[in-house]
Amino acid sequence: AQSVTQPDIHITVSEGASLELRCNYSYGATPYLFWYVQSPGQGLQLLLKYFSGDTLVQGIKGFEAEFKRSQSSFNLRKPSVHWSDAAEYFCAVGSGGGADGLTFGKGTHLIIQP
Amino acid sequence: NAGVTQTPKFQVLKTGQSMTLQCAQDMNHNSMYWYRQDPGMGLRLIYYSASEGTTDKGEVPNGYNVSRLNKREFSLRLESAAPSQTSVYFCASSIQGSRQPQHFGDGTRLSIL
Repeated sequence: AQSVTQPDIHITVSEGASLELRCNYSYGATPYLFWYVQSPGQGLQLLLKYFSGDTLVQGIKGFEAEFKRSQSSFNLRKPSVHWSDAAEYFCAVGSGGGADGLTFGKGTHLIIQP
Repeated sequence: NAGVTQTPKFQVLKTGQSMTLQCAQDMNHNSMYWYRQDPGMGLRLIYYSASEGTTDKGEVPNGYNVSRLNKREFSLRLESAAPSQTSVYFCASSIQGSRQPQHFGDGTRLSIL
């Protein structure tokens, strides 16, 4: 069965500093990987996705993520965070051929210090 | 564009009561999903519908039923609510299957006393 691990429950970053959120997945075949962001009281918004090809993918709001097959990782990065980036971030993996939904990590809560 | 619309946004039930959560999407998507979100647990799949006319169990289906009414609508029913079903429920849709990005509604916050 596929699984996703986000090792950091909370991360605190100063405004303007760089950010990296970790995600490790377990999946037997080529994974379909996603990062979502959730602001308080809201639904989930897609930041970026990886299906195949270039292992560095660009997303919205200045985010990027790098797929590393050898490490089973898909870490999310941003060069300079803004106070509005404070939110919950979820990494998810989809199965290759099925329609059986996404498997989510437990999330990382990002706190931005002024 | 409305995207995925969930109703109601909030609901309080007593143990044993029944309720149906409604979800509709206007993106002509084939696949629809119901998740629940609990603190520290991420999102867990309850049921999904790969296409109109089909439904399947996800990771945590016990205590729930679903109906894919048509291509647009996918409802989730709690027949006899239990306190363990207190959660935030999200409906999502995708063009087809889990290879495609899912679009989420804003959630229904359900409390069962």
